[in-house]
Amino acid sequence: QVRLVQSGAEVKKSGASVKISCKASGYNFNTYAITWVRQAPGQGLEWMGWLSLYNSHPHYAQKFQGRVTMTTDTPTTSVYLELRSLRSDDTAVYYCARLVRCSSTACPGARFDPWGQGTLVTVSS
Amino acid sequence: SYVLTQPPSVSVAPGQTARTTCGGDNIGRKSVHWYQQKPGQAPVLVVYDDRDRPSGISERFSGSNSGNTATLTISRVEAGDEADYYCQVWDTSSDHPVFGGGTKLTVL
Repeated sequence: QVRLVQSGAEVKKSGASVKISCKASGYNFNTYAITWVRQAPGQGLEWMGWLSLYNSHPHYAQKFQGRVTMTTDTPTTSVYLELRSLRSDDTAVYYCARLVRCSSTACPGARFDPWGQGTLVTVSS
Repeated sequence: SYVLTQPPSVSVAPGQTARTTCGGDNIGRKSVHWYQQKPGQAPVLVVYDDRDRPSGISERFSGSNSGNTATLTISRVEAGDEADYYCQVWDTSSDHPVFGGGTKLTVL
């Protein structure tokens, strides 16, 4: 059974950083990419970027360039999302998801399956 | 950048058929995926590549895609189908995914 299990909720002050983990199981870890999506309260889905686990090369959404880092630790089959210089509008549930149909460099037609359970990050001033 | 447009809400009575759309420029040329998100839960893939269902998804869920509109159809709607539904494509020009704004399905 393919599963993605994320770390627990976080409360951070403005200006701080947060690092969320996503542990994969039930499949060959390095053969799929992982992506991150966030959802602010009452809002839709916002894509943040994806990480090739074949070569550890990240691809970030322009909005988050310079503020986000996605990394992997193959021995523990875990992927990490770090977001820096947090602001109140970063308050959201952050999801990891496995990307199906990606090469090491591109994901034409890719879908998100499955998703992690989500991690609530609350940023207070 | 590529934009996907979904109606904010759709309402249907139990046992009836619900249809929700996802509009985009020549979306018929792209693979469209649909996700169901119930309150407080993570999204779940219910239809992929326009019309295929993942293992474990009810056959009541089906999809189509042509021209500028993709459609998710839910037959014999049940109270448990009440959720937000999001469409998604991969925009090859920008090399990133695009989500629609989501449609809230209400079962009357």
